Amino acid sequence: QVQVVESGGGVVQPGRSLRLSCAASTFTFSAYGMHWVRQAPGKGLEWVSLISYDGNNKYYADSVKGRFTISRDNSMNTLYLQMNSLRAEDTAVYYCAKVKYSGYEYYHGMDVWGQGTTVTVSS
Amino acid sequence: DIQMTQSPSTLSASVGDRVTITCRASQRISSWLAWYQQKPGKAPELLIYLASTLESGVPSRFSGSGSGTEFTLTISSLQPDDFATYYCQHYEDYSWTFGQGTKVEIK
Repeated sequence: QVQVVESGGGVVQPGRSLRLSCAASTFTFSAYGMHWVRQAPGKGLEWVSLISYDGNNKYYADSVKGRFTISRDNSMNTLYLQMNSLRAEDTAVYYCAKVKYSGYEYYHGMDVWGQGTTVTVSS
Repeated sequence: DIQMTQSPSTLSASVGDRVTITCRASQRISSWLAWYQQKPGKAPELLIYLASTLESGVPSRFSGSGSGTEFTLTISSLQPDDFATYYCQHYEDYSWTFGQGTKVEIK
């Protein structure tokens, strides 16, 4: 079964850093773009970042630009999100999600989601 | 930036009802619109993409339509498993925007 599994969440103080991981299995990870999407407690979904299948192109929401860095290791089938200068408003469940089609086509939606990892930013 | 506004925010309905959720864009957009279902404590699931294409494995009672600034998700006959929150999502110029969500509750 195609799946992705997030890890790395936890409680962190404002201003500190955290790195999330997303391990992919049973699909050709290196062929697909990958997203991070977050959901604050009791709120809706917010797109965070996308990385292209080859890692050459990265895009960020304005709310995290300059603080978060997306990356991937295709040899390890793993996606990452390095989060620096964390703020209380970054508190959320973070999901990784697979782009539906391979290559550079991003307009068909996100077809595989993980269960999410919770990040809490609090002093 | 394009804003996506869903209506209603909450919808109370009964099993067997026909349900329609609307997603309006702040300006005319392409049909690069998707719909997701999310149940409490679970990850979202893709239902519809390209405004009207049903994702594999999704029951045919779900359908999507629309163009321009107004898009709709319709559930033709609401089933117990359909009580959830639904989100529209638009893609344009390397930016992905979700609507605020519509919660479908049991009447």
